[in-house]
Amino acid sequence: KQEVTQIPAALSVPEGENLVLNCSFTDSAIYNLQWFRQDPGKGLTSLLLIQSSQREQTSGRLNASLDKSSGRSTLYIAASQPGDSATYLCAVPDQAGTALIFGKGTTLSVSS
Amino acid sequence: NAGVTQTPKFRVLKTGQSMTLLCAQDMNHEYMYWYRQDPGMGLRLIHYSVGEGTTAKGEVPDGYNVSRLKKQNFLLGLESAAPSQTSVYFCASSNRDVYGYTFGSGTRLTVV
Repeated sequence: KQEVTQIPAALSVPEGENLVLNCSFTDSAIYNLQWFRQDPGKGLTSLLLIQSSQREQTSGRLNASLDKSSGRSTLYIAASQPGDSATYLCAVPDQAGTALIFGKGTTLSVSS
Repeated sequence: NAGVTQTPKFRVLKTGQSMTLLCAQDMNHEYMYWYRQDPGMGLRLIHYSVGEGTTAKGEVPDGYNVSRLKKQNFLLGLESAAPSQTSVYFCASSNRDVYGYTFGSGTRLTVV
């Protein structure tokens, strides 16, 4: 059964720092991995999707990498801002490819 | 440009009462999902549907029923609410291969 783990569970940094969020998964036979953002009291918003054939994807200050063989993905946030404060979740498809399995998320707090 | 709409946004139920949560999407997505989100447990899949007239069980289906009579709607029913069903419920939809996952804003349910 696929399991997704995110470390750390919470992270506090001062504004301007570069930071890395980690995601690991137990079954490397995935065909994509997605990163989502969730603001308090809100739904989830998709940030980046990495296909299994890709090693990374970039959107603005966000860069996500994928290493299938080691079962790991990282989300790199450059020059963090208070507006980046949110919970970040990674997710991979289940074996049947019909639903996403989510990690429990990393809650990021960026102070000004 | 509604995306995924959930109704209601908040609800308080007494133990034993029943209710139905409605999810509607206007993106012509084939797949629809119901997740619950609890502190420390992350997002867990309750039921999902891969097309009109189909439903399937997810990780935590007990105590819930679903129906997908129309492609754009996915209903989640609680026949006899229990305090353990206090949670935030999220509906999501996607096209095939779980691309383009779009979430609703959630329903906060309290069972007393």
